[in-house]
Amino acid sequence: SAVISQKPSRDICQRGTSLTIQCQVDSQVTMMFWYRQQPGQSLTLIATANQGSEATYESGFVIDKFPISRPNLTFSTLTVSNMSPEDSSIYLCSVSPSGYTDTQYFGPGTRLTVL
Amino acid sequence: EDQVTQSPEALRLQEGESSSLNCSYTVSGLRGLFWYRQDPGKGPEFLFTLYSAGEEKEKERLKATLTKKESFLHITAPKPEDSATYLCAVVDNYGQNFVFGPGTRLSVLP
Repeated sequence: SAVISQKPSRDICQRGTSLTIQCQVDSQVTMMFWYRQQPGQSLTLIATANQGSEATYESGFVIDKFPISRPNLTFSTLTVSNMSPEDSSIYLCSVSPSGYTDTQYFGPGTRLTVL
Repeated sequence: EDQVTQSPEALRLQEGESSSLNCSYTVSGLRGLFWYRQDPGKGPEFLFTLYSAGEEKEKERLKATLTKKESFLHITAPKPEDSATYLCAVVDNYGQNFVFGPGTRLSVLP
């Protein structure tokens, strides 16, 4: 398995601002993913972070709202832009050391509250 | 479209009272089924991966089984520290991304 850290662990932000969440893995991994978990809900995939190219977004999520970077095989960032209270969620980074169909390991999450 | 349902939505057990959680899935060719445990305010913790019908995996008080349409997570003599939300997810043979079920909230009372 991989050891994954996220920063910040939680934040409270004002409407209209942006927050960048960092995800760091202790080893090089093929795939990195970003998920959202709204209160009392299960996990929804936002996008796959591709190293060296643009992220692949799921239906309902767009790059302007959730820009993602992945500069190398151990690090990725997710920005939540122009936030509204509806963006209040837990944002989770996950990694799959061996590819799309392999086990994913999750970071501790970032709890975001938008006022 | 791949779909995952879990039942029950919530389960309360007395310490030592064994039970099972269900994960039913619809996929166009199962590549893998995954069980996770999630504590409040934390990321999901990986428990098991199952790949084919008939497969079983065990870890301490937990045992996961898989058929062609569903998976069970059996909890034997649970303890209060087993209280958590248990999530299952599937990925199909086309290599599409994980589809998570809604989870089962388990409470084990001392």
